[in-house]
Amino acid sequence: NAGVTQTPKFQVLKTGQSMTLQCAQDMNHNSMYWYRQDPGMGLRLIYYSASEGTTDKGEVPNGYNVSRLNKREFSLRLESAAPSQTSVYFCASTYTKDEQFFGPGTRLTVL
Amino acid sequence: AQSVAQPEDQVNVAEGNPLTVKCTYSVSGNPYLFWYVQYPNRGLQFLLKYITGDNLVKGSYGFEAEFNKSQTSFHLKKPSALVSDSALYFCAVRPYGQNFVFGPGTRLSVLP
Repeated sequence: NAGVTQTPKFQVLKTGQSMTLQCAQDMNHNSMYWYRQDPGMGLRLIYYSASEGTTDKGEVPNGYNVSRLNKREFSLRLESAAPSQTSVYFCASTYTKDEQFFGPGTRLTVL
Repeated sequence: AQSVAQPEDQVNVAEGNPLTVKCTYSVSGNPYLFWYVQYPNRGLQFLLKYITGDNLVKGSYGFEAEFNKSQTSFHLKKPSALVSDSALYFCAVRPYGQNFVFGPGTRLSVLP
């Protein structure tokens, strides 16, 4: 039982490049989330998927897209990276009213 | 707008002393309440939650939290701090049927 896994752990991009962050969970959770963490701002929700086949925008969706590939996997894509997207990205999953389980994070730098 | 406040960016406490990390919230209804801890270069780890019932909830690593409905607060406490408790602590609320809202975090430093 690996919980929530994320790849890659680190990434450096140049402005304008694209990349996909991968997330998978093996806890049979229905809901999955993508957050970004910036100093002094806590976690801000980018996108979420309440169940397989559905995705919705969170607080800061601009510049991102997501895909809920199946119940286990939820990917986040940056189509044209910008320096403002330099951040630490966390994937999380949960049942309805239970706590969220977080992945180890992806540290992204956009030059 | 729904929000979570952690009024202290940093809390310093001597090892062995009691610690409190404060959290207040402004959300509609009766939300679920959570505390998470983040160690350097790691994801957030769940500490404890309040759904309903006793206002004092106990969680992992000897932590507990007190829910106060009238003050809309959910302060994290530990009777005797350890140096290994030094980390970033996040309060979070989940309004019914809605997504989590996280506070900005409080950095706890326990001094030997």
